[in-house]
Amino acid sequence: DVKVTQSSRYLVKRTGEKVFLECVQDMDHENMFWYRQDPGLGLRLIYFSYDVKMKEKGDIPEGYSVSREKKERFSLILESASTNQTSMYLCASSTWAAGDTDTQYFGPGTRLTVL
Amino acid sequence: AQKVTQAQTEISVVEKEDVTLDCVYETRDTTYYLFWYKQPPSGELVFLIRRNSFDEQNEISGRYSWNFQKSTSSFNFTITASQVVDSAVYFCALSEENNDMRFGAGTRLTVKP
Repeated sequence: DVKVTQSSRYLVKRTGEKVFLECVQDMDHENMFWYRQDPGLGLRLIYFSYDVKMKEKGDIPEGYSVSREKKERFSLILESASTNQTSMYLCASSTWAAGDTDTQYFGPGTRLTVL
Repeated sequence: AQKVTQAQTEISVVEKEDVTLDCVYETRDTTYYLFWYKQPPSGELVFLIRRNSFDEQNEISGRYSWNFQKSTSSFNFTITASQVVDSAVYFCALSEENNDMRFGAGTRLTVKP
Protein backbone atom coordinates (compact mmCIF):
# COMPACT_ATOMS: atom_id res chain seq x y z
CA ASP A 1 0.00 0.00 0.00
CA VAL A 2 1.12 3.50 -0.77
CA LYS A 3 1.71 5.49 2.33
CA VAL A 4 2.05 9.23 2.49
CA THR A 5 2.60 10.72 5.90
CA GLN A 6 2.57 14.31 7.06
CA SER A 7 4.42 15.52 10.11
CA SER A 8 1.45 17.01 11.93
CA ARG A 9 -2.34 16.70 11.78
CA TYR A 10 -2.90 20.01 13.54
CA LEU A 11 -0.58 22.99 13.85
CA VAL A 12 -1.06 26.42 15.42
CA LYS A 13 1.45 29.16 14.63
CA ARG A 14 1.71 32.89 15.09
CA THR A 15 1.84 35.52 12.38
CA GLY A 16 5.39 36.02 11.14
CA GLU A 17 6.68 32.61 12.22
CA LYS A 18 8.51 30.36 9.79
CA VAL A 19 6.54 27.15 9.35
CA PHE A 20 7.73 23.81 8.00
CA LEU A 21 5.28 21.16 6.81
CA GLU A 22 6.90 17.82 6.11
CA CYS A 23 5.67 15.07 3.82
CA VAL A 24 7.18 11.61 3.38
CA GLN A 25 6.16 8.85 0.98
CA ASP A 26 7.40 5.29 1.07
CA MET A 27 6.62 4.08 -2.45
CA ASP A 28 9.62 5.50 -4.31
CA HIS A 29 7.34 7.85 -6.24
CA GLU A 30 8.99 10.35 -8.52
CA ASN A 31 6.43 13.11 -8.17
CA MET A 32 5.25 14.97 -5.10
CA PHE A 33 2.70 17.75 -4.66
CA TRP A 34 1.47 20.26 -2.11
CA TYR A 35 -2.12 21.52 -2.16
CA ARG A 36 -4.19 23.69 0.07
CA GLN A 37 -7.87 23.08 0.53
CA ASP A 38 -10.29 25.83 1.51
CA PRO A 39 -14.10 25.75 1.76
CA GLY A 40 -15.70 26.62 -1.54
CA LEU A 41 -12.36 26.71 -3.38
CA GLY A 42 -11.55 23.02 -3.56
CA LEU A 43 -7.94 21.89 -3.87
CA ARG A 44 -5.40 24.33 -5.23
CA LEU A 45 -1.89 23.34 -6.22
CA ILE A 46 0.88 25.25 -4.48
CA TYR A 47 4.07 23.53 -5.70
CA PHE A 48 5.09 20.22 -7.15
CA SER A 49 8.29 18.33 -7.82
CA TYR A 50 9.18 15.73 -10.45
CA ASP A 51 12.58 14.88 -9.06
CA VAL A 52 15.02 15.52 -6.26
CA LYS A 53 16.05 19.19 -6.04
CA MET A 54 13.46 20.00 -8.67
CA LYS A 55 10.43 22.20 -8.07
CA GLU A 56 7.71 23.81 -10.13
CA LYS A 57 5.20 26.47 -9.19
CA GLY A 58 1.56 25.54 -9.09
CA ASP A 59 -1.40 27.90 -9.17
CA ILE A 60 -0.80 29.70 -5.86
CA PRO A 61 2.92 29.67 -4.94
CA GLU A 62 3.05 33.16 -3.42
CA GLY A 63 4.10 33.10 0.21
CA TYR A 64 5.39 29.53 -0.01
CA SER A 65 8.58 27.72 -0.89
CA VAL A 66 9.47 24.04 -1.06
CA SER A 67 12.44 21.77 -0.65
CA ARG A 68 13.10 18.30 -1.99
CA GLU A 69 16.52 17.08 -0.92
CA LYS A 70 15.57 13.40 -0.90
CA LYS A 71 13.23 11.50 -3.17
CA GLU A 72 10.88 10.46 -0.39
CA ARG A 73 10.56 13.84 1.32
CA PHE A 74 8.91 17.08 0.17
CA SER A 75 8.76 20.04 2.52
CA LEU A 76 6.51 23.06 2.30
CA ILE A 77 7.83 26.23 3.91
CA LEU A 78 5.90 29.31 4.92
CA GLU A 79 8.65 31.90 5.27
CA SER A 80 6.53 34.31 7.31
CA ALA A 81 3.14 32.89 8.15
CA SER A 82 0.09 35.08 7.71
CA THR A 83 -3.50 34.60 8.80
CA ASN A 84 -4.64 34.06 5.20
CA GLN A 85 -2.51 30.93 5.13
CA THR A 86 -4.78 29.28 7.66
CA SER A 87 -5.95 26.23 5.74
CA MET A 88 -5.81 22.46 5.30
CA TYR A 89 -2.59 21.42 3.56
CA LEU A 90 -2.50 18.18 1.64
CA CYS A 91 0.55 16.39 0.31
CA ALA A 92 0.38 13.84 -2.49
CA SER A 93 2.71 11.64 -4.51
CA SER A 94 2.50 9.87 -7.84
CA THR A 95 4.58 7.74 -10.16
CA TRP A 96 5.24 7.55 -13.88
CA ALA A 97 4.90 3.78 -13.77
CA ALA A 98 2.60 2.38 -16.42
CA GLY A 99 -0.83 1.48 -15.13
CA ASP A 100 -0.66 3.96 -12.29
CA THR A 101 0.44 7.09 -14.11
CA ASP A 102 -0.97 10.29 -12.73
CA THR A 103 -2.79 8.67 -9.80
CA GLN A 104 -2.05 10.84 -6.81
CA TYR A 105 -2.01 9.34 -3.34
CA PHE A 106 -2.67 11.71 -0.50
CA GLY A 107 -1.49 12.09 3.05
CA PRO A 108 -3.89 12.74 5.94
CA GLY A 109 -3.51 16.51 5.74
CA THR A 110 -2.26 19.18 8.13
CA ARG A 111 -4.75 21.68 9.44
CA LEU A 112 -2.75 24.85 10.00
CA THR A 113 -4.08 27.78 11.99
CA VAL A 114 -2.15 31.05 11.96
CA LEU A 115 -3.09 33.42 14.76
CA ALA B 1 -6.64 24.47 -19.60
CA GLN B 2 -8.65 21.54 -18.40
CA LYS B 3 -11.66 22.03 -16.17
CA VAL B 4 -13.82 19.82 -13.98
CA THR B 5 -17.36 20.70 -12.93
CA GLN B 6 -19.29 19.07 -10.14
CA ALA B 7 -22.57 20.92 -10.24
CA GLN B 8 -23.99 19.29 -7.12
CA THR B 9 -22.61 21.04 -4.07
CA GLU B 10 -24.49 18.95 -1.53
CA ILE B 11 -26.69 15.87 -1.72
CA SER B 12 -28.65 14.32 1.10
CA VAL B 13 -30.21 10.86 0.89
CA VAL B 14 -31.66 8.32 3.23
CA GLU B 15 -29.83 5.06 3.78
CA LYS B 16 -30.38 2.42 1.09
CA GLU B 17 -31.21 4.97 -1.58
CA ASP B 18 -29.15 5.03 -4.76
CA VAL B 19 -27.31 8.25 -5.48
CA THR B 20 -25.43 9.55 -8.52
CA LEU B 21 -22.71 12.16 -8.33
CA ASP B 22 -22.19 14.07 -11.55
CA CYS B 23 -18.89 15.11 -13.07
CA VAL B 24 -18.40 16.98 -16.34
CA TYR B 25 -14.96 17.76 -17.69
CA GLU B 26 -13.32 19.84 -20.40
CA THR B 27 -10.03 19.08 -22.09
CA ARG B 28 -8.37 19.52 -25.47
CA ASP B 29 -6.15 16.49 -25.05
CA THR B 30 -7.02 13.11 -26.50
CA THR B 31 -5.09 11.32 -23.78
CA TYR B 32 -6.17 12.04 -20.24
CA TYR B 33 -7.13 10.37 -16.98
CA LEU B 34 -10.20 10.77 -14.83
CA PHE B 35 -10.37 10.05 -11.12
CA TRP B 36 -12.74 9.95 -8.20
CA TYR B 37 -11.58 10.53 -4.63
CA LYS B 38 -13.46 10.28 -1.35
CA GLN B 39 -12.72 12.61 1.55
CA PRO B 40 -14.32 11.36 4.77
CA PRO B 41 -14.55 13.62 7.85
CA SER B 42 -11.02 12.55 8.86
CA GLY B 43 -9.73 14.64 5.95
CA GLU B 44 -7.59 12.23 3.97
CA LEU B 45 -8.40 11.93 0.26
CA VAL B 46 -8.90 8.30 -0.61
CA PHE B 47 -8.36 7.19 -4.19
CA LEU B 48 -11.36 5.34 -5.64
CA ILE B 49 -10.85 4.93 -9.37
CA ARG B 50 -8.68 5.94 -12.32
CA ARG B 51 -9.90 5.81 -15.90
CA ASN B 52 -7.94 6.59 -19.04
CA SER B 53 -9.55 8.34 -21.98
CA PHE B 54 -9.37 5.30 -24.23
CA ASP B 55 -11.34 3.04 -21.95
CA GLU B 56 -15.03 3.89 -21.93
CA GLN B 57 -16.11 0.68 -20.28
CA ASN B 58 -18.23 1.24 -17.24
CA GLU B 59 -16.83 -0.14 -14.03
CA ILE B 60 -18.49 -1.67 -11.02
CA SER B 61 -16.85 -2.27 -7.67
CA GLY B 62 -19.26 -3.55 -5.07
CA ARG B 63 -21.85 -0.85 -4.47
CA TYR B 64 -19.86 1.67 -6.53
CA SER B 65 -20.17 2.11 -10.27
CA TRP B 66 -18.81 4.61 -12.74
CA ASN B 67 -20.25 5.70 -16.07
CA PHE B 68 -17.73 7.27 -18.45
CA GLN B 69 -19.20 8.88 -21.59
CA LYS B 70 -16.83 10.76 -23.88
CA SER B 71 -19.73 11.98 -26.02
CA THR B 72 -21.01 14.08 -23.12
CA SER B 73 -17.63 14.55 -21.37
CA SER B 74 -19.03 13.04 -18.23
CA PHE B 75 -17.72 10.62 -15.63
CA ASN B 76 -20.54 10.00 -13.18
CA PHE B 77 -20.34 8.00 -9.98
CA THR B 78 -23.23 5.99 -8.58
CA ILE B 79 -23.51 4.51 -5.11
CA THR B 80 -26.12 1.79 -4.86
CA ALA B 81 -27.91 1.14 -1.56
CA SER B 82 -26.09 3.97 0.17
CA GLN B 83 -24.86 3.60 3.74
CA VAL B 84 -24.08 6.10 6.47
CA VAL B 85 -20.36 5.34 6.02
CA ASP B 86 -20.61 6.71 2.48
CA SER B 87 -21.07 10.20 3.92
CA ALA B 88 -18.10 12.23 2.68
CA VAL B 89 -17.03 14.82 0.17
CA TYR B 90 -16.39 13.28 -3.23
CA PHE B 91 -14.03 14.84 -5.74
CA CYS B 92 -13.80 14.22 -9.43
CA ALA B 93 -10.43 15.05 -11.03
CA LEU B 94 -8.87 15.21 -14.48
CA SER B 95 -5.21 14.81 -15.36
CA GLU B 96 -3.74 15.48 -18.77
CA GLU B 97 -0.45 14.04 -20.01
CA ASN B 98 1.57 16.71 -18.22
CA ASN B 99 0.49 15.22 -14.88
CA ASP B 100 -1.34 18.42 -13.97
CA MET B 101 -4.36 17.27 -12.00
CA ARG B 102 -7.43 19.49 -11.74
CA PHE B 103 -10.09 18.85 -9.17
CA GLY B 104 -13.76 19.67 -9.16
CA ALA B 105 -15.15 21.63 -6.24
CA GLY B 106 -16.46 18.47 -4.64
CA THR B 107 -19.91 17.14 -3.73
CA ARG B 108 -20.77 16.67 -0.08
CA LEU B 109 -22.87 13.54 0.33
CA THR B 110 -24.82 13.01 3.52
CA VAL B 111 -26.48 9.66 4.06
CA LYS B 112 -29.02 9.70 6.85
CA PRO B 113 -29.96 6.57 8.79
